[in-house]
Amino acid sequence: SQTIHQWPATLVQPVGSPLSLECTVEGTSNPNLYWYRQAAGRGLQLLFYSVGIGQISSEVPQNLSASRPQDRQFILSSKKLLLSDSGFYLCAWVPLNTEAFFGQGTRLTVV
Amino acid sequence: GNSVTQMEGPVTLSEEAFLTINCTYTATGYPSLFWYVQYPGEGLQLLLKATKADDKGSNKGFEATYRKETTSFHLEKGSVQVSDSAVYYCALRYGGATNKLIFGTGTLLAVQP
Repeated sequence: SQTIHQWPATLVQPVGSPLSLECTVEGTSNPNLYWYRQAAGRGLQLLFYSVGIGQISSEVPQNLSASRPQDRQFILSSKKLLLSDSGFYLCAWVPLNTEAFFGQGTRLTVV
Repeated sequence: GNSVTQMEGPVTLSEEAFLTINCTYTATGYPSLFWYVQYPGEGLQLLLKATKADDKGSNKGFEATYRKETTSFHLEKGSVQVSDSAVYYCALRYGGATNKLIFGTGTLLAVQP
């Protein structure tokens, strides 16, 4: 069956520390994958998307980066977190002709 | 570029009131349109969708009609319940290689008994 996994669910990190959030998909190949962020009081903002291994497009300039090391793996990273990186991060898989699948999200608090 | 503009919240209603949440979009071509809902403490769920002009999506008493002439996809419900309290997101998806899903800013709905 088709599923999407995202972890961890919650994370508290100090300012200046690195970040790695992972998203994996099962039951498909070559999925289009997306990272969104929901900052406090704001909507879902598209951060990155990837149409294949090693292919990353950034939607907004920021302190974060993304990588697609394997076909069904999408990673969101930062070398040094800022307070403003706090928020709710959501991974999504958007198939061409069916509904989008969403991970459960990661609540990141930078302290 | 493609974008979604959504009614600012929060929206506070009494139970059994009529709900409208406005959504307009800007897009090239013919995107599919969606409403997603996020209940407190839960993940994002698809509420309804419409894939072409004049289509009406409906689910759980909610409805939205794809209006190409006004580039709108307003969400309506005739009688809201406390259990409808959630954040509602309007979204569009346009095709090509990226198949991007673009969300509006979300509208918080609070229904009071």
